[in-house]
Amino acid sequence: IAGITQAPTSQILAAGRRMTLRCTQDMRHNAMYWYRQDLGLGLRLIHYSNTAGTTGKGEVPDGYSVSRANTDDFPLTLASAVPSQTSVYFCASRKSGQNTGELFFGEGSRLTVL
Amino acid sequence: GDSVTQMEGPVTLSEEAFLTINCTYTATGYPSLFWYVQYPGEGLQLLLKATKADDKGSNKGFEATYRKETTSFHLEKGSVQVSDSAVYFCALSLFAGARQLTFGSGTQLTVLP
Repeated sequence: IAGITQAPTSQILAAGRRMTLRCTQDMRHNAMYWYRQDLGLGLRLIHYSNTAGTTGKGEVPDGYSVSRANTDDFPLTLASAVPSQTSVYFCASRKSGQNTGELFFGEGSRLTVL
Repeated sequence: GDSVTQMEGPVTLSEEAFLTINCTYTATGYPSLFWYVQYPGEGLQLLLKATKADDKGSNKGFEATYRKETTSFHLEKGSVQVSDSAVYFCALSLFAGARQLTFGSGTQLTVLP
């Protein structure tokens, strides 16, 4: 089934460790996004990429980095995890050439930093 | 900056009850408005949308009307079902810039049989 695949689905991590959340899509969408979801705060944009080779900062980028080497993959890296990065992380993509605002989401990665 | 404010939850209703989830927005331009739904254990999916004032979005029995005069986009359903239990997010998008979505905080809906 076409869509967005995120890995891992769940992870417990010690503070200070490095972690990469993977995101792969097979829909050939140009734009991709990483959001974090926290209770009472909804979804907040971390980083985005409008096309392969480009990235941009969202609302809460500190402590996170991304890369977009190709169209399909958009990994999110926490260089040195802290407890405040405990959250559910969602990767999303938007169909190329469409300006409708519709995003397609993965099923999320639940990260716990101890 | 642009923002979306949703009514706080959680909301608990009996099956066949009428549902309203309020959403208001603040935006510098003329946004498109969306409702997304997140079922348990899943990612968000688009429920409905409206791209200009007075447009009505509808899907699966849900409706929302883009009200520019009140900057609102309230979600309604005449008769909810247990399967409607989910978290509902209101969102806006301005087509300029990075074309990102700005989400509200979400409203948890539980429908009891």
